[in-house]
Amino acid sequence: QSVLTQPPSVSAAPGQKVTISCSGSSSNIGNHYVSWYQQLPGTAPKVLIYDNNKRPSGIPDRFSGSKSGTSVTLGITGLQTGDEAEYYCGTWDSSLSAGVFGGGTKLTVL
Amino acid sequence: QVTLRESGPALVKPTQTLTLTCTFSGFSLSTSGMRVSWIRQPPGKALEWLARIDWDDDKFYSTSLKTRLTISKDTSKNQVVLTMTNMDPVDTATYYCARGTTVTNIDYWGQGTLVTVSS
Repeated sequence: QSVLTQPPSVSAAPGQKVTISCSGSSSNIGNHYVSWYQQLPGTAPKVLIYDNNKRPSGIPDRFSGSKSGTSVTLGITGLQTGDEAEYYCGTWDSSLSAGVFGGGTKLTVL
Repeated sequence: QVTLRESGPALVKPTQTLTLTCTFSGFSLSTSGMRVSWIRQPPGKALEWLARIDWDDDKFYSTSLKTRLTISKDTSKNQVVLTMTNMDPVDTATYYCARGTTVTNIDYWGQGTLVTVSS
């Protein structure tokens, strides 16, 4: 049971937009920045979004992040088959004094 | 260029102690703000945060695994070591080390090393 809650799966057609939610509490998302990670099959995770809505260099602006209260959302526009991956949100939890991740969301591009 | 590489045994027996080493380059763990975390992922399952060590030698552990984990660093060798005692088959996973520049941002990950626990 993950501390952060994500939907197990989402799907959309190529070219469309999809959003992935991640909910937590005041001890984690509510008071800390959140990062989003993309994990392509058989590879290590890669950071897509950090500090809620910032993109590292090299990450296209098709990927965006937003935060509201104790929830964050990852948005992906112009879906491509190469976006099929597992997506994780992650942050720090002050009550646990530990890092926490969501359970992951599998994106299928139909 | 920042790189991290995990090393350790691919197979351990139940009850044994696992020792993993993260060897990194492109940054120094003596630089203010630098952090290295260990994260694992059982086959087909989600990421699980395990432990973190900071540039100032602060250490943090997963609450559920705290009694079994020890993290340490050797700044001169650019290495971070994680030990996990009393290994069990449920600990079978790919273990990643990763760099963080803030409490919440993990910006570089190693490729991971698969550890299987079996007799």
